[in-house]
Amino acid sequence: NFMLTQPHSVSESPGKTVTISCTRSSGSIASNYVQWYQQRPGSAPTTVIYEDNQRPSGVPDRFSGSIDSSSNSASLTISGLKTEDEADYYCQSYDSSNHPYWVFGGGTKLTVL
Amino acid sequence: EVQLVESGGGLVQPGGSLRLSCAASGFTFSSYWMSWVRQAPGKGLEWVANIKQDGSEKYYVDSVKGRFTISRDNAKNSLYLQMNSLRAEDTAVYYCARVTTFFDYWGQGTLVTVSS
Repeated sequence: NFMLTQPHSVSESPGKTVTISCTRSSGSIASNYVQWYQQRPGSAPTTVIYEDNQRPSGVPDRFSGSIDSSSNSASLTISGLKTEDEADYYCQSYDSSNHPYWVFGGGTKLTVL
Repeated sequence: EVQLVESGGGLVQPGGSLRLSCAASGFTFSSYWMSWVRQAPGKGLEWVANIKQDGSEKYYVDSVKGRFTISRDNAKNSLYLQMNSLRAEDTAVYYCARVTTFFDYWGQGTLVTVSS
């Protein structure tokens, strides 16, 4: 099974733009959709991006997702940062190489200061 | 409104058993794959198990194979996780989640603590 690697933490100022990366260890990042989940302290995760670049209803367009085959990675970009965006963010994909297996990245702590 | 409510967590000794339940409402439960995802204290998310709409397919993370069993009762709109031979490393908040092409709705979780 492959792994998804994220930076442990990132920080940026309100109003700025931040990008969180998610690198797939083996196989093509484009082979299976990538999702991004936001988790605030003490709360369950919620989806901010699904199927690489789709936003669920209610998620502001400040959140965007993309994949880059050259670096075999996915990215979550948050523009116009707000203090409420401070949270942990997890990427997630699916591995069907052996048996179905759902993979999460290790998570990135976003600090907005 | 989609709602998923987990129950059944608690303190259990190593080697013990526990059965988690997830009550679903606000959608046609029998039409969706369902999943359990866990999060150890201060750690990241880990997929545990998935079950197909009719229960005919089940998949598990390697670390729980042979110890955990996922099941569902579509008549009761309920998802279950039977956990046997529990270990300290199974300590986590366990979330049930609805599955489409991703985990689109999550419950609030139930805490399982394995300790003597």
